[in-house]
This record gives sequence, structure tokens and C-alpha cells, in this order.
Amino acid sequence: NAGVTQTPKFRVLKTGQSMTLLCAQDMNHEYMYWYRQDPGMGLRLIHYSVGEGTTAKGEVPDGYNVSRLKKQNFLLGLESAAPSQTSVYFCASKVPQGWNNEQFFGPGTRLTVL
Amino acid sequence: DAKTTQPPSMDCAEGRAANLPCNHSTISGNEYVYWYRQIHSQGPQYIIHGLKNNETNEMASLIITEDRKSSTLILPHATLRDTAVYYCIVREGTSYDKVIFGPGTSLSVIP
Repeated sequence: NAGVTQTPKFRVLKTGQSMTLLCAQDMNHEYMYWYRQDPGMGLRLIHYSVGEGTTAKGEVPDGYNVSRLKKQNFLLGLESAAPSQTSVYFCASKVPQGWNNEQFFGPGTRLTVL
Repeated sequence: DAKTTQPPSMDCAEGRAANLPCNHSTISGNEYVYWYRQIHSQGPQYIIHGLKNNETNEMASLIITEDRKSSTLILPHATLRDTAVYYCIVREGTSYDKVIFGPGTSLSVIP
């Protein structure tokens, strides 16, 4: 199993450009999450999904859109990138419930907006 | 979910036990204590979790006080590879809802 993978690993954008970050998991997990992490700070939740075709807002959703068309994929979109969106983005997934309710994280995508 | 408080940073000598504290005074009866860590530039990694009994696995031990208002993560023999930011999170075990990570504790293991 590859676990949680993220594409791309690095990206540089100019202000106003758009892009999509892809998260894929092969563990058949129902729940998926997108976080961002800025220097010296913990992770902040952007959007999450509790199943195929459903999404919900997290702490910092403004400027981002998401889609969960397939259970294994969770896409994060930036329609018009801004320098404030320079960050490291992490995707995570987990099973709905149970004793071992841990989240599995991807390796991250480092995004710079100039 | 209940809020947690952790010291911003700690040092530990290599080979000694690292004891990382976490306060969660507003924890409710059905909330679990989870610990994750994040080694520089990598995604967070699950370590351990518990409800009210002490727990141990191959990575660490979790000690939860009897009133459940605080807990301690113990790395029994810290190595340089344990240098990381450690996050204490309190949440319902069956919750599908969002998980909030605070700033955590930055642990430095010193040779």
C-alpha cells in the first residue's frame, strides 16, 4: 500500500494563477482532510470530506475549493492564488470510527505564491 | 473538542526518557487523548492514544491522570531521530469531525 500520496511535491505560482493539489489514498478510508501549515504554527484545517460526493469547511476555507468525486481522491483547488496562500499543504485520511481512529498523513506539498 | 495546553519547547539528553506533558482540563468523558509527532518537513505521524487507562506501544507510553485533566507522553530512551514537534489532541474516538492541531511541543534531543 502506498498510503496517502500528494501531487505535486513542490510548486511555485504567480499571484492570480490557479492550480489543483491532488491527494490519493489506497486504504479505502471514508474521511479525508486538507490542512495547511505555516512556519512555527500547528496544522489548520481547510476543508474535509466524510465520504464520496461530500465536503465541508474547516477553520480556514476562504480562497480554496475542494472536490471528492471518487472515494480515493480529494482535490484542493486555488482559483486565484495569493501570497498569503504560501504554505505547506498536508492531506490526511482515516476510517470513520473505531478504537484506532488515527489519521494517516501524506508527505506534503510545498507551495510558494509570488 | 476540548482544548489542550503544551509547553512550546523541551530538551532531552539522548538515551534518557523524554516526558512531554499536556493539560486538557475541560476533557469530557467520551473524549480520547491522541498524540502525533511531526519530524521536520514530513507529515504528522500517529504515536498513541488512550481514554483513561495508561497505554504502551512500541513507540511510547501514555500516562493519563486519574481525573483525566492531564497526560504525559513518555519516550523511554530518546534518540536523535525523536527530535520533532509533538501534538497532543483531545477528541471523541468516534468523531468524524475535524481535528484541530495546536502549536505542539518542539522536542530537541541533544547528543
